[in-house]
Amino acid sequence: EAGVTQFPSHSVIEKGQTVTLRCDPISGHDNLYWYRRVMGKEIKFLLHFVKESKQDESGMPNNRFLAERTGGTYSTLKVQPAELEDSGVYFCASSQDGQELETQYFGPGTRLLVL
Amino acid sequence: AQKVTQAQTEISVVEKEDVTLDCVYETRDTTYYLFWYKQPPSGELVFLIRRNSFDEQNEISGRYSWNFQKSTSSFNFTITASQVVDSAVYFCALRNSWGKLQFGAGTQVVVTP
Repeated sequence: EAGVTQFPSHSVIEKGQTVTLRCDPISGHDNLYWYRRVMGKEIKFLLHFVKESKQDESGMPNNRFLAERTGGTYSTLKVQPAELEDSGVYFCASSQDGQELETQYFGPGTRLLVL
Repeated sequence: AQKVTQAQTEISVVEKEDVTLDCVYETRDTTYYLFWYKQPPSGELVFLIRRNSFDEQNEISGRYSWNFQKSTSSFNFTITASQVVDSAVYFCALRNSWGKLQFGAGTQVVVTP
């Protein structure tokens, strides 16, 4: 069974540009999460989808970040316009259901560098 | 508010030594879940273990063991007879009944031959 996949693995853009990150969860997983780790800091939660609905977006830093999950399958996270402080590693995770015993499985991350 | 503290930034050991990673958590919830993840140099986060707040039984899996103590709000992780392949960043995380994980800052483990 394929794990969580993320694309691209790396992205280097200039300040002010737009970048779109993609996450494909494990097949059949209704729950999809986005996290990020800014250099030297902790891994921080961004948002949580249940199927195509946003269950919790309390971690989204500002309105330059837009996440979508059309059809309840893959998800995209768009940063527009990107700022220097957006640099970091963006992780996606998925889980089968929202039950108490859920375990989130993570993808390899997308390393974003904003110059 | 929830908080996870991993006070050790980096631990360096020589192969075959044991290494213990500390994790202290704070939560007001009576039901919660604790996790350990491993991030090898390749970058992905690999799930290692989940422990429920109502189950304080310690666990051993091969060279890995976990010591969960509610009285001290700790969930420590020990690697016995470390190997070079254990070199990675290890994250402790906390979750309430459902949803987002609260991560610690991570501990870098360096195992040298």
